[in-house]
Amino acid sequence: AQSVAQPEDQVNVAEGNPLTVKCTYSVSGNPYLFWYVQYPNRGLQFLLKYITGDNLVKGSYGFEAEFNKSQTSFHLKKPSALVSDSALYFCAVRDLYNFNKFYFGSGTKLNVKP
Amino acid sequence: DGGITQSPKYLFRKEGQNVTLSCEQNLNHDAMYWYRQDPGQGLRLIYYSQIVNDFQKGDIAEGYSVSREKKESFPLTVTSAQKNPTAFYLCASMGEGNTEAFFGQGTRLTVV
Repeated sequence: AQSVAQPEDQVNVAEGNPLTVKCTYSVSGNPYLFWYVQYPNRGLQFLLKYITGDNLVKGSYGFEAEFNKSQTSFHLKKPSALVSDSALYFCAVRDLYNFNKFYFGSGTKLNVKP
Repeated sequence: DGGITQSPKYLFRKEGQNVTLSCEQNLNHDAMYWYRQDPGQGLRLIYYSQIVNDFQKGDIAEGYSVSREKKESFPLTVTSAQKNPTAFYLCASMGEGNTEAFFGQGTRLTVV
C-alpha cells in the first residue's frame, strides 16, 4: 500500500528560526511527492512537488523540501520562519498504479511565534 | 479568473435530509475529486471522476453519491445514510499533463 506519514501533529518555532515539517513515505517505486498548505477554513494550496531530478526542490513562499530516497523522507523546510507561515501542512503522494489518486498525510500544524 | 468554486461555503442540514454540495471548475480539467477532512485525520477520498459520465468510489464512499454530467461540474450529495456527515468537504481537480491537484475553498457541512 502507498502512504505518507507526518509524525508530528504540531511544530512550534520562533519567528526567524529555521523550520522543518517532517514527512515519510511508503511507496514501492519512484514516488511523486507533494506539499500543500491550508489556512483556516480554506482549501489546500500547492507549495511544491518532487517528481524526478534534483533532490532539493524549491517552492512557493520560500519553502523547499529535500527528497531522501534512503530514508524515504520528504521534509519541508524554510530557512527563516514568518508568523504568517502558521498554518496546517499536508504531505501527499500520488498513486503509482492509479495516477488519478493521491494519498494525504494527517497534517502538521505549524505555529510560528513572534 | 480560472479556478475551482465550491458552494456554499457553510451548509447546515437537519438529520435525515439529503444535501448537495456544488463544485465547478473552469480549468478544463478532466479529473475531479471529493475529499472529506476531519480534525487530525487528514483528507480522505470520497469519490473521483477521470472523465465525464464516469466516476469511481474512493475510500469512504458509503452514504455519498456523485454525478459527472458535465466536464465542469462534479456535485456531491450527502445522503441520510451517511451516519456522521459533519465535516469539511474539499473538491479538487487535475488536468492532463498536470502532476498536482488544485483545490477549491471547501464547504463546511454541519448537521443540526
